[in-house]
Amino acid sequence: GENVEQHPSTLSVQEGDSAVIKCTYSDSASNYFPWYKQELGKGPQLIIDIRSNVGEKKDQRIAVTLNKTAKHFSLHITETQPEDSAVYFCAASLIGNFNKFYFGSGTKLNVKP
Amino acid sequence: EAGVAQSPRYKIIEKRQSVAFWCNPISGHATLYWYQQILGQGPKLLIQFQNNGVVDDSQLPKDRFSAERLKGVDSTLKIQPAKLEDSAVYLCASSHTSLAYGYTFGSGTRLTVV
Repeated sequence: GENVEQHPSTLSVQEGDSAVIKCTYSDSASNYFPWYKQELGKGPQLIIDIRSNVGEKKDQRIAVTLNKTAKHFSLHITETQPEDSAVYFCAASLIGNFNKFYFGSGTKLNVKP
Repeated sequence: EAGVAQSPRYKIIEKRQSVAFWCNPISGHATLYWYQQILGQGPKLLIQFQNNGVVDDSQLPKDRFSAERLKGVDSTLKIQPAKLEDSAVYLCASSHTSLAYGYTFGSGTRLTVV
């Protein structure tokens, strides 16, 4: 089955700095890569996703890049704010295979004011 | 639209006891998922329903876990008997179809087995 690795496990940045979280996946058939943000006591919330036919996608301060050849994808957050502090999870999926998601182990992002 | 509803929010039980969790997905969502999230780890799929049929339960410990989705709407997940290692957050999620990109999670039920 698919194996997703995520790094770093914790990330501390100063407000206004950028943050980058990286994930690798093992199954070259995976074609959909969502990112979820989980705040304390809440369920994961989808913040951005990318399909395998696209190399980069942006949404305001967040962006995701995908390198299919190297089988890795990354989340970029610019101009970080304290409310960005949360745990972020990447996932990989093969759409059409009942949409089963394989999650990374999570990155705890702390944005210091 | 209303989100995915789960109850209870918290549950503390002794090992070997039984426990049940309830999930009400977003109206009209045919696909429902139960995930287990152990502290410090990413969610892991336990079981997936398409309407009221099971499409994937390969990671469900069937000797102690069971789940059902009556009438293709609400779902319950049961653990009997519970073990210490079952302590986790149990997340329910739903999507419009099994081909939908991304799905919506509930807030989860935090289970502590002592």
